[in-house]
Amino acid sequence: DAGITQSPRHKVTETGTPVTLRCHQTENHRYMYWYRQDPGHGLRLIHYSYGVKDTDKGEVSDGYSVSRSKTEDFLLTLESATSSQTSVYFCAISEYSGTGNGYTFGSGTRLTVV
Amino acid sequence: GIQVEQSPPDLILQEGANSTLRCNFSDSVNNLQWFHQNPWGQLINLFYIPSGTKQNGRLSATTVATERYSLLYISSSQTTDSGVYFCAVKGKGGSQGNLIFGKGTKLSVKP
Repeated sequence: DAGITQSPRHKVTETGTPVTLRCHQTENHRYMYWYRQDPGHGLRLIHYSYGVKDTDKGEVSDGYSVSRSKTEDFLLTLESATSSQTSVYFCAISEYSGTGNGYTFGSGTRLTVV
Repeated sequence: GIQVEQSPPDLILQEGANSTLRCNFSDSVNNLQWFHQNPWGQLINLFYIPSGTKQNGRLSATTVATERYSLLYISSSQTTDSGVYFCAVKGKGGSQGNLIFGKGTKLSVKP
């Protein structure tokens, strides 16, 4: 979607290697989110950020870390990738956290861990 | 935590037909959104609708917060409406960041 880009779009990596996914926004929105989408589970929140250097865990945060050093960038790192982390990863942004607005999602990153 | 149930799980329509998708949630919400995921995987925000009714072209949505459900109406369906429709909510007592998604309704519109 315009204003939010994810990179890379596709990645294949080996078990045990570190992987970093990038989310970049040009909307100057305060809130950024990382979700994963898996068959049978829908979309689940991994981590989110409510400002520069302000992050918090979601419901499936184990094995993942995040960083946000600039408003526009939110990085998701798999410290040591496992096959269970094979998934499609989506980044989202919103201007407000609760009431007031909807989320805008990026195009997704398909990650395969072999 | 808050539970979100969508029905039906699958729906097949002939082009031109109308449909209603339902989202039930288990607790009070301050944020409810409908999304369409197209066959290429892109998630598009359709409505932000924690209460009331909104319309956008052939699509409209109604949320009855007191009865804890939301409906998405698609009129005169087109093949481009195919994909998965997700309802997502954030409970009033929930974590700041956590928008909880239902499992979706998969819609197939046949020409």
